[in-house]
Amino acid sequence: AQSVTQPDIHITVSEGASLELRCNYSYGATPYLFWYVQSPGQGLQLLLKYFSGDTLVQGIKGFEAEFKRSQSSFNLRKPSVHWSDAAEYFCAVAPYNTDKLIFGTGTRLQVFP
Amino acid sequence: DTGVSQNPRHKITKRGQNVTFRCDPISEHNRLYWYRQTLGQGPEFLTYFQNEAQLEKSRLLSDRFSAERPKGSFSTLEIQRTEQGDSAMYLCASSYGTENTEAFFGQGTRLTVV
Repeated sequence: AQSVTQPDIHITVSEGASLELRCNYSYGATPYLFWYVQSPGQGLQLLLKYFSGDTLVQGIKGFEAEFKRSQSSFNLRKPSVHWSDAAEYFCAVAPYNTDKLIFGTGTRLQVFP
Repeated sequence: DTGVSQNPRHKITKRGQNVTFRCDPISEHNRLYWYRQTLGQGPEFLTYFQNEAQLEKSRLLSDRFSAERPKGSFSTLEIQRTEQGDSAMYLCASSYGTENTEAFFGQGTRLTVV
């Protein structure tokens, strides 16, 4: 069965520091991959997605993610974190030719000034 | 365009009562999805519609749950005989197209069953 693992439940970084959030997926083929952010009281917002092509994907708010097929990973990165980035981050996969998203359990990011 | 709208935002109900939530997708989005999110978990897929046709239902969707999208526009999710385990955030999302495309999420309806 398809699954998504986000090993880090909670991450704390200082403002201006770099960030990497880990995501591993389990699927027989290359799925479609997504990162969403959820702020308190807000809906899920898409940061970036990977369907095919260049394995380094650029998203909104200065985020990027790299798809590594050999490691079944799709880690999210940001070179310099801002206090407004504090939120819950979800990695998700959509198996090929389906419409449902399978989400990980999320990583809560806390940013200290 | 005002995005995906969900009503109500919060609902408190007594165990055993029926509740209904509404989702208004982005105009002209032909696909509509329902997810459920419990505390500390990611959203879990419940069901999805393409236009008015319900194309897939999760095994999470027990017989007490029913979803409709009668005219291919707004959708309702009804829970009959609510149980405390139904307490969760119910999220709606919509997208346009025939393949995996970006799904836009609403802010959700938080259900508390007491």
